[in-house]
Amino acid sequence: GAGVSQTPSNKVTEKGKYVELRCDPISGHTALYWYRQSLGQGPEFLIYFQGTGAADDSGLPNDRFFAVRPEGSVSTLKIQRTERGDSAVYLCASKLAPYEQYFGPGTRLTVT
Amino acid sequence: AQSVTQPDIHITVSEGASLELRCNYSYGATPYLFWYVQSPGQGLQLLLKYFSGDTLVQGIKGFEAEFKRSQSSFNLMKPSVHWSDAAEYFCAVGTGTGGSYIPTFGRGTSLIVHP
Repeated sequence: GAGVSQTPSNKVTEKGKYVELRCDPISGHTALYWYRQSLGQGPEFLIYFQGTGAADDSGLPNDRFFAVRPEGSVSTLKIQRTERGDSAVYLCASKLAPYEQYFGPGTRLTVT
Repeated sequence: AQSVTQPDIHITVSEGASLELRCNYSYGATPYLFWYVQSPGQGLQLLLKYFSGDTLVQGIKGFEAEFKRSQSSFNLMKPSVHWSDAAEYFCAVGTGTGGSYIPTFGRGTSLIVHP
């Protein structure tokens, strides 16, 4: 079946602009995670949804970052007033069974 | 807080040689441990996981890992490496219950395979 998909695959934006990154989880997966992966690093947890609500957003670095999942499926990560330090690959993962996360290919964000 | 150390940034092996990628963790309780592989442009794929029981865990693609509590290690192994195994490998430790599992990843080890 279809895996986790993320759009766009690449996004280049100017410093100060607003961006939205989209994640389509595997159908029926109730939990959804966002991670940020900087160059040469492992994924870093940002936020976790169980259904429509954010169960844990402790990884969001500041209030410029926000994520929603209004219908419990698709999620959007929103970044306001982007900074060059936000450049990274943003990964999404979904799961149904405990501990079995399925990752999407990521969105590479470049802030110029 | 939990942490994961992958001491080797790069590992180079010849095709057909054996492989061992090191992972050390820091966590106060019994950890849930994972190895993931990431190929260029791809998402992370789970290779194997350890929760409890037998300390030698079998995974996909011929990989296995051994949990050693006394050494706080969970090293990944493969007896014979194939060129297609060239990728980035991440060790992770998970905390929380299955419903709220939040993993902490190491920085990764890049595997280079020579023909």
